[in-house]
This record gives sequence, structure tokens and C-alpha cells, in this order.
Amino acid sequence: GAGVSQSPSNKVTEKGKDVELRCDPISGHTALYWYRQSLGQGLEFLIYFQGNSAPDKSGLPSDRFSAERTGGSVSTLTIQRTQQEDSAVYLCASSLAPSGMSYNEQFFGPGTRLTVL
Amino acid sequence: SQQGEEDPQALSIQEGENATMNCSYKTSINNLQWYRQNSGRGLVHLILIRSNEREKHSGRLRVTLDTSKKSSSLLITASRAADTASYFCATEEYGNKLVFGAGTILRVKS
Repeated sequence: GAGVSQSPSNKVTEKGKDVELRCDPISGHTALYWYRQSLGQGLEFLIYFQGNSAPDKSGLPSDRFSAERTGGSVSTLTIQRTQQEDSAVYLCASSLAPSGMSYNEQFFGPGTRLTVL
Repeated sequence: SQQGEEDPQALSIQEGENATMNCSYKTSINNLQWYRQNSGRGLVHLILIRSNEREKHSGRLRVTLDTSKKSSSLLITASRAADTASYFCATEEYGNKLVFGAGTILRVKS
């Protein structure tokens, strides 16, 4: 299908290790978002990319978290020196364009379930 | 921080009954959206209501928005077992990021 894809679907790592999570947005979508969902909670915004503009990193919880988007398409979320509290489902979404007052549906990927032991 | 707060946290109903979920938020918004998340699956966009709209329908879904009270409700009519899922409201603020509530877990018993 042509939806948002994420890899891996599951990742188990040891505390202190670095992890990389990948997101492939829908082709042609200029906006890309990362969210985190802890068990039984709603989604927490992490970072937002729009075209060539500087990303909105206001949701990143610490400097151990970083993300990049290469060529305006694929994005990688990196968590360094993982901690147990980083365990969550990391969701990526993409959309066509920023909304202002216009419609902006975000299409979500299936997520990566990260478990830090 | 969470903007939307859903109420109730959990709801259990019989198939065929209506389900109503409420959402409150704190700041000015461009629009409010409702999403569904089935167990083990991603989020699916259900409906969007703009800040200048008061009510919107889509199939068995009815959404209302009261910007004076900063609240919204989602009504699912004639519920089905397949409607069992978590439902989240999300408000769109500046910068297009969505701010989600903690969700309502809906269980429809057949």
C-alpha cells in the first residue's frame, strides 16, 4: 500500500544503547511528524518537519532525542543512551501541507514499539 | 502536555446503543479532530471540525464543537462490535502539530 511505513515494528534494547527508528512518509507529503505514545496514554508530540524549514523540536523530551529528515522524505528518530522511561510506541505521521485554516489530515504509520530493558 | 481531556476514560455499551465521548481543551485552536485506534493498529482519522463550525456528521458519527466552553463531543450511533477501540480527540494549534488527549476506551458488547 501507499501508507506511512515504519521500521522496525518492534525493538527491544538494553538501557544505555542507542536506537534508530525509521519512517517512510506517503509520497508527496511535505509534512512529517513524530509522536510518542506511552502505555494507556494519548500521543505526545515530539518533532515536526515541513519542507525545507527548520524543524519544530519543541516536543523532544531531552537532548538524547534527535531526528532528521533526508531529502524531504525518509525520517530517522534517534534515541541515544536509552532509558527505561523511553519505552513506548513511537508513531510517525505525514500530511500534504501545513494547514493554517485549511484541512490537514495526518496519516499515521503503525508505529515502532520500543522496549528498553 | 496534553490539551484535550476525554471523558469518560472508559465506556462499555451494548451493540446498537449510542456512545458519547467528550473532550475538553484549554487554548485557541484551528480545528479539532477525532481519531480511532484499534488494538495493535495505527491511528485512523475519523472526522475534523473547524473552529468556526458547530456540528459535523459523517456516517454514524456526529461531532459537536463549543468553542465558548472549549469542548467537543463525539457521538457514535447504532454502535457495532467493530467500533470497539480507543478514541482520541486532538487539537491543532500553531505549527500544525496535534495535541492529543488521553483517550476514551470504548467497548461494544455483542
